[in-house]
Formats: sequence, structure tokens, C-alpha cells
Amino acid sequence: DADVTQTPRNRITKTGKRIMLECSQTKGHDRMYWYRQDPGLGLRLIYYSFDVKDINKGEISDGYSVSRQAQAKFSLSLESAIPNQTALYFCATRAGKGNTEAFFGQGTRLTVV
Amino acid sequence: GQQLNQSPQSMFIQEGEDVSMNCTSSSIFNTWLWYKQDPGEGPVLLIALYKAGELTSNGRLTAQFGITRKDSFLNISASIPSDVGIYFCAGQLTDGGTSYGKLTFGQGTILTVHP
Repeated sequence: DADVTQTPRNRITKTGKRIMLECSQTKGHDRMYWYRQDPGLGLRLIYYSFDVKDINKGEISDGYSVSRQAQAKFSLSLESAIPNQTALYFCATRAGKGNTEAFFGQGTRLTVV
Repeated sequence: GQQLNQSPQSMFIQEGEDVSMNCTSSSIFNTWLWYKQDPGEGPVLLIALYKAGELTSNGRLTAQFGITRKDSFLNISASIPSDVGIYFCAGQLTDGGTSYGKLTFGQGTILTVHP
């Protein structure tokens, strides 16, 4: 089983719909991140959380919200999806201070039509 | 915010050739990381660099942390077909401040290796 699991792996949704992407991890890490990947733009940070009570905006948080339901779960929501949110979304986790390796999920490919 | 410029954007090479890619930043980092992404997968860490001037190898891969702390490069020697994928640099500040603990990624280098 993967250490960082994202669901769904693929999703097609209509403009204006609400959608939630889920991430769970079995690594026991405190820090969790949501990134979006677009061709030629690399990975851009949407939101990050250092623990259950700590949520922070990343570079491109507009149009997104997150919920850290537990140490192991971090979900990303699009309240009203729009076509330019079509992208590949990655969840990542890291251990606490001093440990730099981020472990990524396999990604969720979201298409908004 | 911090920005990383990674080049080249793509490379098409023959098996056996060496590859070099680099990243430059508008501001300093105190950690540089290089990741590889295989098709359909998330990025996986290749090499981590923690000190300015550091040169680190991992098999056929060699990476260096620039002495200005604003750049890094990755070399792959004697490329093989399984080297194909997208390579990302990432920088991180770990000394506090508003950027603490965040990874900033480059745009990626798409590597294609012809047998």
C-alpha cells in the first residue's frame, strides 16, 4: 500500500460543481501539502498544514479551501470548479522540523468541463 | 514570492550521453532538492543538498549547491532509457520566517532518452 494515498485518481466534473480531493497518509508526518502541476509551470503550492490546528495559504490558494480532519488526512475542496482548475493535483507529506524529504501521492487528474 | 527558473525545459538525447540541468533563484535557499517524476506518478526525491558549495552524488547523478545559495545543478552521466521523466529542482528555507518549511519548485525539465 502507498504511504500517501490520493482519491480519486481521475475526475471529470462540470463547471460550477463542488468537488473534494482527499489525501491520507500512513507515515505519521505532521506536515501535509497540496500542490497543483501544470505543464511548464512545475508544482505550485496551494495550501499547507503543519499540524491539525495549523492551515496556511500557499501561492495559489484562491478558489480552493482545505480541511485537516486528522493528522493523517488533508482534503482539498474546489467550491465552484472552473475550467482553469483543470490540472494534476498532488498531496505531499513531510516529517517535522529538520527533515526535508517530501513524499508525494500519485496525483489526482482533475478535468473541469 | 520566491521563484525558481529551471533550464532547459526539455532535452532529447541519445542513450549514453551526459545530461546537465540547472536552477536559479531570485532569493537564497538553505536547502536544494532534486526530484524525478515518472509518468503517472508523484515526484520522488533523488538528491538533497544542505550546504553551500556541497557536491553530492547518487549513482550516476551528481548535484551541486551553488556557493551563492541561489542556484543548483544536476548532472546525469551515461544516460539510459529509464532516465526519462520530468526532473524538478526545489528550494527550501528551514531557518524560520514566513517561508519556513515550504518547498518552491522549478518548472521542470522533461528528459527524453533515445535508445
